[in-house]
Amino acid sequence: GAVVSQHPSWVICKSGTSVKIECRSLDFQATTMFWYRQFPKQSLMLMATSNEGSKATYEQGVEKDKFLINHASLTLSTLTVTSAHPEDSSFYICSARDLGTYNEQFFGPGTRLTVL
Amino acid sequence: KNQVEQSPQSLIILEGKNCTLQCNYTVSPFSNLRWYKQDTGRGPVSLTIMTFSENTKSNGRYTATLDADTKQSSLHITASQLSDSASYICVVSPPHNAGNMLTFGGGTRLMVKP
Repeated sequence: GAVVSQHPSWVICKSGTSVKIECRSLDFQATTMFWYRQFPKQSLMLMATSNEGSKATYEQGVEKDKFLINHASLTLSTLTVTSAHPEDSSFYICSARDLGTYNEQFFGPGTRLTVL
Repeated sequence: KNQVEQSPQSLIILEGKNCTLQCNYTVSPFSNLRWYKQDTGRGPVSLTIMTFSENTKSNGRYTATLDADTKQSSLHITASQLSDSASYICVVSPPHNAGNMLTFGGGTRLMVKP
């Protein structure tokens, strides 16, 4: 099946620093990727939709200047958490849409971000 | 508002036993309904996917059913194993021409004890 990877799998950073998370579709091209955030014992919450070659679409309440998304190629999208604060600590999951498979989204393994 | 409700929120069963998880949805029309397994600290992994015209889909010990009339789906796990301990999420996808937004259920946290 389609494989989506994320890097890093976990990261610990100091408050005020920026952190970049990569999402790659390994064996298919994805014109659309999605970024989710998941807090403990809660379901996934969509943050933004990342479209290759264009600006990302952010969900209501998600600060676009804080969560910078770049989708420079058909296999790579990046999420940069700028000036991270402890409340940004969460589990960030990306998914990539494969148009050829039920229009299905395949999820990455997630990135655990801890901001001290 | 389109919603996906799952029950129970959590469930504890003994190893080897069967269990059934429920999903009620109001999303209509929809393209497909999927069940995902999410291990702690990992991303969701697809177990089954059903279009609105399908009634059942199996994947090993996992069997999903869909009743489009009552807008209900269930995931039956047979002969549970310790490795089945995870969250199970029901996800409904809109029609292909209605955007990308998936509607997630809150999940059922299953714990299988020896």
